[in-house]
Amino acid sequence: GENVEQHPSTLSVQEGDSAVIKCTYSDSASNYFPWYKQELGKRPQLIIDIRSNVGEKKDQRIAVTLNKTAKHFSLHITETQPEDSAVYFCAAGGSTGTASKLTFGTGTRLQVTL
Amino acid sequence: GAVVSQHPSWVICKSGTSVKIECRSLDFQATTMFWYRQFPKQSLMLMATSNEGSKATYEQGVEKDKFLINHASLTLSTLTVTSAHPEDSSFYICSARSLVEQYFGPGTRLTVT
Repeated sequence: GENVEQHPSTLSVQEGDSAVIKCTYSDSASNYFPWYKQELGKRPQLIIDIRSNVGEKKDQRIAVTLNKTAKHFSLHITETQPEDSAVYFCAAGGSTGTASKLTFGTGTRLQVTL
Repeated sequence: GAVVSQHPSWVICKSGTSVKIECRSLDFQATTMFWYRQFPKQSLMLMATSNEGSKATYEQGVEKDKFLINHASLTLSTLTVTSAHPEDSSFYICSARSLVEQYFGPGTRLTVT
């Protein structure tokens, strides 16, 4: 099955700096890579996703890059703000079919300090 | 956007009793739903895939006789934790995939005393 590794487990940045979180996956059949933000005690919220036919995707301060050859993908947050503080999870799975399951990374606790 | 609800949001039960958690997709039909468990400061671990009208598919290491899943309709899946023990205390989250993305329920915090 799929195995997703995520680094770092914790990340502290100053407000305004950039944050980068990296993930690797093992199953070459995976073609959908979402990123979720989870605040304490709440449900994960999708913040951005990328499919394997795309190498990079950007949405305002958030961007995701994908290297299918190396089987890794990364989340980039620029101009970080205190409200970006949360736990971020990457995931990998199939992009087609509602039965395609996702395998999650271990999470990165991001803290944005003033 | 699509909404997935979960009930109850939290529950406290005594060891040895059973607890049922409901997961509903409110504005789309979900032939497949997923049940996750999340321990404090850990990731979401997939427990099982719930399939409407058929048996659930359990991940390795998850006891199907302990975690009973029923997907009775296209909008409802239930997870029953049978003979609960303190080590079953966790945050249980369901999700459903539409054709666009995967939506998560708000989670159920189970505490077994």
